[in-house]
Amino acid sequence: AQSVAQPEDQVNVAEGNPLTVKCTYSVSGNPYLFWYVQYPNRGLQFLLKYITGDNLVKGSYGFEAEFNKSQTSFHLKKPSALVSDSALYFCAVRANNAGNMLTFGGGTRLMVKP
Amino acid sequence: GAVVSQHPSWVICKSGTSVKIECRSLDFQATTMFWYRQFPKQSLMLMATSNEGSKATYEQGVEKDKFLINHASLTLSTLTVTSAHPEDSSFYICSARVQEGQQAFFGQGTRLTVV
Repeated sequence: AQSVAQPEDQVNVAEGNPLTVKCTYSVSGNPYLFWYVQYPNRGLQFLLKYITGDNLVKGSYGFEAEFNKSQTSFHLKKPSALVSDSALYFCAVRANNAGNMLTFGGGTRLMVKP
Repeated sequence: GAVVSQHPSWVICKSGTSVKIECRSLDFQATTMFWYRQFPKQSLMLMATSNEGSKATYEQGVEKDKFLINHASLTLSTLTVTSAHPEDSSFYICSARVQEGQQAFFGQGTRLTVV
């Protein structure tokens, strides 16, 4: 079975400060890892993914994530937060041999204050 | 990126009626579509996977006779909530992809309220 843990329900950060949203996973085999963002009353938007290659992945809107195999983590980061980054963030994983199923974490609400 | 459109964006229906939600891939052919459900303050739960031209595969605990999924063409999948009850009120999201190993694109979601 595969699983994803986002240990923080909410992360608060001041505008201009760096942000980190944590994600750890459990999967058999090599993982495909994803981050999605959900704005109020909107569907999910893809931010970035790790499939293979460089452990540091850069995505949309200045976000990046680092794949750490030994810690089974895929934390989302941004050097300087914007108020408009406030949203719900979901980490997701699937094994490369898991067929269709993406497993999502519970989500972390990011609040960026001016 | 590719566009997936859901219709309607929100719907209110009476208890006991059926509601159909459409998921369309606008600029690509989706061999596989996925339907998710999101309860308030919770994550997405995969309900079912549908491949064009074949029966949907439902996740454990999802009633296939209540949540009817049809994937009749490469650009359209529908989810019909039959005999809806208030506990079916939720946010339903579809996603679509071209083939295994490729990124799935999400629709904007449909908020269903059953009164």
